Amino acid sequence: ETGVTQTPRHLVMGMTNKKSLKCEQHLGHNAMYWYKQSAKKPLELMFVYNFKEQTENNSVPSRFSPECPNSSHLFLHLHTLQPEDSALYLCASSQAASGNYEQYFGPGTRLTVT
Amino acid sequence: TQLLEQSPQFLSIQEGENLTVYCNSSSVFSSLQWYRQEPGEGPVLLVTVVTGGEVKKLKRLTFQFGDARKDSSLHITAAQPGDTGLYLCAGESTGTASKLTFGTGTRLQVTL
Repeated sequence: ETGVTQTPRHLVMGMTNKKSLKCEQHLGHNAMYWYKQSAKKPLELMFVYNFKEQTENNSVPSRFSPECPNSSHLFLHLHTLQPEDSALYLCASSQAASGNYEQYFGPGTRLTVT
Repeated sequence: TQLLEQSPQFLSIQEGENLTVYCNSSSVFSSLQWYRQEPGEGPVLLVTVVTGGEVKKLKRLTFQFGDARKDSSLHITAAQPGDTGLYLCAGESTGTASKLTFGTGTRLQVTL
């Protein structure tokens, strides 16, 4: 595997379900990000991790819970979501902690909350 | 809060036409990046511009960073259907702890 991978690519879940999104980067980067992309809205930054430490939580509701066990893996745990949470969730990585802000994105997980 | 406004929001043109997309802010950025996102995929980095007034070319795409480093433009010459996608600019600011500010996006459709 190369670049940034995300699983699953598509997810349909009910409002009472619990699910997790997974992201893995194979680039040796030191920063990882979760973004939310909704139709007709700009890309919204959710969380930032530098060297597996969370450095940014952009006022994200607690029903979204990130986890970064190491610099290569990032998870987004989901529980009791709302229909308005349906969106494309993108993971990205960069060498920002070393001063290089160019971001490499995964293909995203298309989430539908029913 | 830093904002990056892109214009136009939507653009539908025919193959062979030229177009320019603008990315504007009232804030100064250390560098600015342009990404293209195709349906069902994540954004892909096209270019990074760093110096005020800098111009970079990528085949038929020309990127320019404003002299004051507050704005940027992307010009596409002789557009092709393969140029179709969402174009995003993203600005890096000093002291923002490893994050970029993304623009509002320009959705381009190039038809035969």
